Amino acid sequence: GENVEQHPSTLSVQEGDSAVIKCTYSDSASNYFPWYKQELGKRPQLIIDIRSNVGEKKDQRIAVTLNKTAKHFSLHITETQPEDSAVYFCAAPYKAAGNKLTFGGGTRVLVKP
Amino acid sequence: SQTIHQWPATLVQPVGSPLSLECTVEGTSNPNLYWYRQAAGRGLQLLFYSVGIGQISSEVPQNLSASRPQDRQFILSSKKLLLSDSGFYLCAWSVSYHGLISGNTIYFGEGSWLTVV
Repeated sequence: GENVEQHPSTLSVQEGDSAVIKCTYSDSASNYFPWYKQELGKRPQLIIDIRSNVGEKKDQRIAVTLNKTAKHFSLHITETQPEDSAVYFCAAPYKAAGNKLTFGGGTRVLVKP
Repeated sequence: SQTIHQWPATLVQPVGSPLSLECTVEGTSNPNLYWYRQAAGRGLQLLFYSVGIGQISSEVPQNLSASRPQDRQFILSSKKLLLSDSGFYLCAWSVSYHGLISGNTIYFGEGSWLTVV
């Protein structure tokens, strides 16, 4: 099946520094790549997504980049703040399995004040 | 706008007891519906998904079952809970693509915390 690998599994950064999370996928037909943020005890919520026809998308302090050739996409958080502390999940659809989103294993981000 | 609700938010159930979690979606028609489970500190495991009324697909063998009696209602059930069923259960929906999974954004409900004792 579609294999979405996410690294690192945990990330600790100093407030104000940048954080980068990377995901690789195996299905070359995948064309949609969302990122979700899950705060402790809450549901995952979409924070940004990118489609395969663009290479980068930004929304204030967060950005996602996509390299279709290498089959990887990354989440970039700049000027991190304590409220960025959460678990982040990437995902990609797997065409051969009916287009269901396959999630990465998650990255626990801790922003230290 | 679309909204998704699931309940109950928390429950503590003894081993061997039945389970029923319910989820409804408003503001859209014929959504794709999903049930995920998340063990403490772990990732998202897809349990079931549905592309239409009465159409249920199971992703993993287990003692849970799902039903979709109405277009925007999705129910997760068990006849006899196991300790290993404890976790955070999330209902979710996405826009359908001609009756199929669209491969687009999934929107999650608030979640239900289940503790089996």
